[in-house]
Amino acid sequence: DAKTTQPNSMESNEEEPVHLPCNHSTISGTDYIHWYRQLPSQGPEYVIHGLTSNVNNRMASLAIAEDRKSSTLILHRATLRDAAVYYCILRFMIKAAGNKLTFGGGTRVLVKP
Amino acid sequence: KAGVTQTPRYLIKTRGQQVTLSCSPISGHRSVSWYQQTPGQGLQFLFEYFSETQRNKGNFPGRFSGRQFSNSRSEMNVSTLELGDSALYLCASRPGQGNEQYFGPGTRLTVT
Repeated sequence: DAKTTQPNSMESNEEEPVHLPCNHSTISGTDYIHWYRQLPSQGPEYVIHGLTSNVNNRMASLAIAEDRKSSTLILHRATLRDAAVYYCILRFMIKAAGNKLTFGGGTRVLVKP
Repeated sequence: KAGVTQTPRYLIKTRGQQVTLSCSPISGHRSVSWYQQTPGQGLQFLFEYFSETQRNKGNFPGRFSGRQFSNSRSEMNVSTLELGDSALYLCASRPGQGNEQYFGPGTRLTVT
């Protein structure tokens, strides 16, 4: 599995945007970029995924570099509830590859009131 | 729809014993995956089942096994428990056409 690199931790103030970077220089053309987050004492939660184009949903936006070697998860207005560990994961796009997710260390996000 | 449920939520076992954990996926989801989470190793993939067949397996010893039933419910079993098996065991289910996986709250296993 291609590897991702994320900062260990980031801090943000409540109601300010948070930009979470992820480097994946060895990404292949068939890898989707997925983001999950894990709130304290809970299982991981899907956030967003993309392949080449930027993506938006109700939780966040995903900005993907043109060469796909990096991406940024954007939380537009952080709330205290967004304090979690955020994981950037590459997943082979072919359905037959199954559902294996290879988690790295993730970025621990602290939101200050 | 109800989310992924896992039972029991907490379990304490003794070294050498065996344990069975249960996972009920979201209704209609046929794919179930299991993960182990420890402070030292993070989240690691154990195995995946689809339509009662194991489709993928992580790098864990044979003491770790699983199965899936015709109603998509899944169980995982760990035999001859070791102290290092203490972890949070997470189950995830996925719809047939979707990309995202939905995780349960996990079973916290403590081996003493």
